[in-house]
Amino acid sequence: DQQVKQNSPSLSVQEGRISILNCDYTNSMFDYFLWYKKYPAEGPTFLISISSIKDKNEDGRFTVFLNKSAKHLSLHIVPSQPGDSAVYFCAASVTNDYKLSFGAGTTVTVRA
Amino acid sequence: NAGVTQTPKFRILKIGQSMTLQCAQDMNHNYMYWYRQDPGMGLKLIYYSVGAGITDKGEVPNGYNVSRSTTEDFPLRLELAAPSQTSVYFCASSYSGHTQYFGPGTRLTVL
Repeated sequence: DQQVKQNSPSLSVQEGRISILNCDYTNSMFDYFLWYKKYPAEGPTFLISISSIKDKNEDGRFTVFLNKSAKHLSLHIVPSQPGDSAVYFCAASVTNDYKLSFGAGTTVTVRA
Repeated sequence: NAGVTQTPKFRILKIGQSMTLQCAQDMNHNYMYWYRQDPGMGLKLIYYSVGAGITDKGEVPNGYNVSRSTTEDFPLRLELAAPSQTSVYFCASSYSGHTQYFGPGTRLTVL
């Protein structure tokens, strides 16, 4: 049973506009959430994370929002750039469990 | 630092053959992981280790084995390869058990 879901397999956005990626989870024990970015033929690279004690974390053009009551998080990329075209994975973990559960990924295409 | 390295990058196996996927990290991380990624799917955890000498099963361990004799190395063994094991395999390591750092992957095809 998939505990982390990314319901949009793909997203197309114009360069300079905002990209919003969504992720839902079912396990209420999750208390740490991460976003990874993956280019073709490469391994995933860590992008940004958020602990359940926060509802927002920002790093440059990337902001992650967490809504614990809705079991929902989102990643905002502003402004989107061509180099942001990649697959983005949402992941979640429980402290002291040492494992990540991944969503299926969202492919982002940034159009010039 | 090289980070997490994986060899080989590509491999084609025949049904029933065996092979070992190598993974090494130079960050002195205690936690190491093996995942597989099938097309259109997320990463599924095969095995993980919280330190040298300690390994445990993940979500999809059948058909695989691991060992962790040193902090740096975490090889994944495939015995009796099957077409269902055609996938991209990623190794990862972590200092905290939360943020994981991935290798470049091994693309395996079983024919």
